[in-house]
Amino acid sequence: EDKVVQSPLSLVVHEGDTVTLNCSYEVTNFRSLLWYKQEKKAPTFLFMLTSSGIEKKSGRLSSILDKKELFSILNITATQTGDSAIYLCAVESNTGNQFYFGTGTSLTVIP
Amino acid sequence: EPEVTQTPSHQVTQMGQEVILRCVPISNHLYFYWYRQILGQKVEFLVSFYNNEISEKSEIFDDQFSVERPDGSNFTLKIRSTKLEDSAMYFCASSLDREMWETQYFGPGTRLLVL
Repeated sequence: EDKVVQSPLSLVVHEGDTVTLNCSYEVTNFRSLLWYKQEKKAPTFLFMLTSSGIEKKSGRLSSILDKKELFSILNITATQTGDSAIYLCAVESNTGNQFYFGTGTSLTVIP
Repeated sequence: EPEVTQTPSHQVTQMGQEVILRCVPISNHLYFYWYRQILGQKVEFLVSFYNNEISEKSEIFDDQFSVERPDGSNFTLKIRSTKLEDSAMYFCASSLDREMWETQYFGPGTRLLVL
């Protein structure tokens, strides 16, 4: 059965800390891995990763994929209270437009 | 910035009733998706739609569910006879083109409560 597992389930840090969120997957015919930030309602897109070892970066956020070990990490440096959210990892299978989501990591950044 | 819109934002219905959830994808997008998220649980893929037909559906998307694009702008999800367990947040998403590795843009969701 295809699955996506995220860890930790929840995390509480102080402003300025650096966090690393993990996503491991077992998905048939991997196509891409996506990271989303979910605050109140709909997820908003952060990154799409398709190739191993190439870091994607956007401001204080960065992500990398390891297709051999079947995982990805999302790093957030110098965290701010606005980073508090649930971070979702999703993996797209090549067999049709099928996406598998993890349960998310709930990040709380306290001042 | 273009965005996906969904209506209604909230819907309460009686078990066994039909509901139609509406989505207006971003205008030049070609691929459309429905997801649901039961309260406290993970986002689940329901169905994807391209060129006026379903391209993929999950096990959740049984005969009680249907999708259509009736007028070239709206994309609807119909649940024929709702069950209590259909209570969830339903998200619509659209993307420009899968082959170009375009990302999906999510709508704000419709919270469905089945009583």
